[in-house]
Amino acid sequence: EIVMTQSPATLSVSPGERATLSCRASQSVSSNLAWYQQKPGQAPRLLIYGASTRATGIPARFSGSGSGTEFTLTISSLQSEDFAVYYCQQYNNWPPGFTFGPGTKVDIK
Amino acid sequence: QVTLRESGPALVKPTQTLTLTCTFSGFSLSTSGMCVSWIRQPPGKALEWLALIDWDDDKYYSTSLKTRLTISKDTSKNQVVLTMTNMDPVDTATYYCARTIAVASYYFDYWGQGTLVTVSS
Repeated sequence: EIVMTQSPATLSVSPGERATLSCRASQSVSSNLAWYQQKPGQAPRLLIYGASTRATGIPARFSGSGSGTEFTLTISSLQSEDFAVYYCQQYNNWPPGFTFGPGTKVDIK
Repeated sequence: QVTLRESGPALVKPTQTLTLTCTFSGFSLSTSGMCVSWIRQPPGKALEWLALIDWDDDKYYSTSLKTRLTISKDTSKNQVVLTMTNMDPVDTATYYCARTIAVASYYFDYWGQGTLVTVSS
């Protein structure tokens, strides 16, 4: 099974600042990686797929990069609505299954 | 527009079988490429994929839980059902259903709002 790790566990950022979140896979997942945003009490929302393609309706301040085992989600200028938990998910190892990272919480500094 | 909604019991006892239903609209599970998954999230913890059923009625399960899970679909009702046997308190979680379009990618583009299931005697 491919294990996903994310760092840092918590990222404290001031509004308007840049946030950089990392996701690492235990083996190559090519570009088969997605990012999700989850706010308290809500379902996850798809942000990025294919490592770098923004999903429909996602603002341009969200960008994804990377391939293989190292990936980055960048939020260029944090807005108040961006404070949330962010998960990465690999879908390269299909079948048998999908795996998510443990998440990075972005909170207000 | 695409919507999904989970339904099922909020409380189950240990050893019981859980049955959850995902009712969706805006797409058909008889359309080539369409899939629905179940994913769960224990309180304060990360997401865990459980099972997927596709348009061709192929079924896939989490390796660690496959002996306890069964996924099925009723295309005419736009529903997907998940059963999980021998429930334990560690299975307490919010259970989500989510859509995937299997066109070389398996990300989850639409999610239900989730249903919290508590396992307790």
